[in-house]
Amino acid sequence: GNSVTQMEGPVTLSEEAFLTINCTYTATGYPSLFWYVQYPGEGLQLLLKATKADDKGSNKGFEATYRKETTSFHLEKGSVQVSDSAVYFCAPRYVGDKLIFGTGTRLQVFP
Amino acid sequence: DTGVSQNPRHKITKRGQNVTFRCDPISEHNRLYWYRQTLGQGPEFLTYFQNEAQLEKSRLLSDRFSAERPKGSFSTLEIQRTEQGDSAMYLCASSLENPNTEAFFGQGTRLTVV
Repeated sequence: GNSVTQMEGPVTLSEEAFLTINCTYTATGYPSLFWYVQYPGEGLQLLLKATKADDKGSNKGFEATYRKETTSFHLEKGSVQVSDSAVYFCAPRYVGDKLIFGTGTRLQVFP
Repeated sequence: DTGVSQNPRHKITKRGQNVTFRCDPISEHNRLYWYRQTLGQGPEFLTYFQNEAQLEKSRLLSDRFSAERPKGSFSTLEIQRTEQGDSAMYLCASSLENPNTEAFFGQGTRLTVV
């Protein structure tokens, strides 16, 4: 079946460091791709999305580009803040199918 | 619309008891999903509906779990004869059918089986 593989955490960074969280999905289909974020004590919320190849989703300084050739949707941010500390989930959604989540990557940013 | 609403927010039950959770999705959303999340893990798919039709149920899901969406609006998830391993956060989400649109999540119901 369809699946997604996400970089294991935790990822620990100092404030203003560069962030990359890797995500790859199975290539059986042409999904829309989402990153969700879960801040401490809060519910899941959408961070960004991309719906076709070469699209770039962006929000709150985070970016991810839909790479069909490598079946990847890596999340990046040029300068992280303490407030970015959260768990990040990569989630492809295939036509006619449910949303599938990766295991999540915990990000901890220290001042 | 106030988003996806789940009730109760917390439930503590004794092993062997039945519990029922409710989810009220965003009104125009025809897709409704149930997930389960344990500490340090991603949401695990349980089941989902399109309108009132249950399209898929996880093969990992015990027969003790059942879900309904009788009128294509709110949904209930029932767990019969609860076990300690059922302790988790139960998440509900809703979306449009269009796969390019995001799912919106509720705050979840935290179940503790003692």
